[in-house]
Amino acid sequence: GALVYQYPRRTICKSGTSMRMECQAVGFQATSVAWYRQSPQKTFELIALSTVNSAIKYEQNFTQEKFPISHPNLSFSSMTVLNAYLEDRGLYLCGAVTGDSYEQYFGPGTRLTVL
Amino acid sequence: GDSVTQTEGPVTVSESESLIINCTYSATSIAYPNLFWYVRYPGEGLQLLLKVITAGQKGSSRGFEATYNKETTSFHLQKASVQESDSAVYYCALGDWGNTGKLIFGLGTTLQVQP
Repeated sequence: GALVYQYPRRTICKSGTSMRMECQAVGFQATSVAWYRQSPQKTFELIALSTVNSAIKYEQNFTQEKFPISHPNLSFSSMTVLNAYLEDRGLYLCGAVTGDSYEQYFGPGTRLTVL
Repeated sequence: GDSVTQTEGPVTVSESESLIINCTYSATSIAYPNLFWYVRYPGEGLQLLLKVITAGQKGSSRGFEATYNKETTSFHLQKASVQESDSAVYYCALGDWGNTGKLIFGLGTTLQVQP
């Protein structure tokens, strides 16, 4: 079956520091990877959509300078939250899109706490 | 803009009762909207419950069903008889077939099924 792993599941960082999170697709090829954030009391917001061999597309209010993403192959993606502050806390979800059915499989998320 | 509005939770029902969680959408910039219901069980990741990509069609899974109604811009989730194991958070989402990977989520509805 199609599975998506995210690492770490939970992390705590000090304000102003950076934190890297990873996303691994197992059992299928992820032609695109979408990164979302769920801030407290809010829904999931798309940060960026990354397609292998294409430019990464960031949504309004999110930038490459703040959330650099690496997507080197069809099974792995990583995103870093640079210079994290309180407003960056929340659950970060990775959604891996299959090339055939365009279904999106989600990992369990990385919960970021900023102190 | 593009948005999703769904029933505010928590919704509490007794086992074997019927359920409806309302979802309406606005897709002003999406030419071919697709509609999804995702579910998040306690301690688990986001899972696709059902999807419908064509207006007028009905999707169903695990006893849940939802009909994509373009006239009323709705995609309500229904189940005739809920079980305690259905307790979870349900998210209605709007996708863009031509821009795979981007999903716009509602706020989520927490369902609590009492035995």
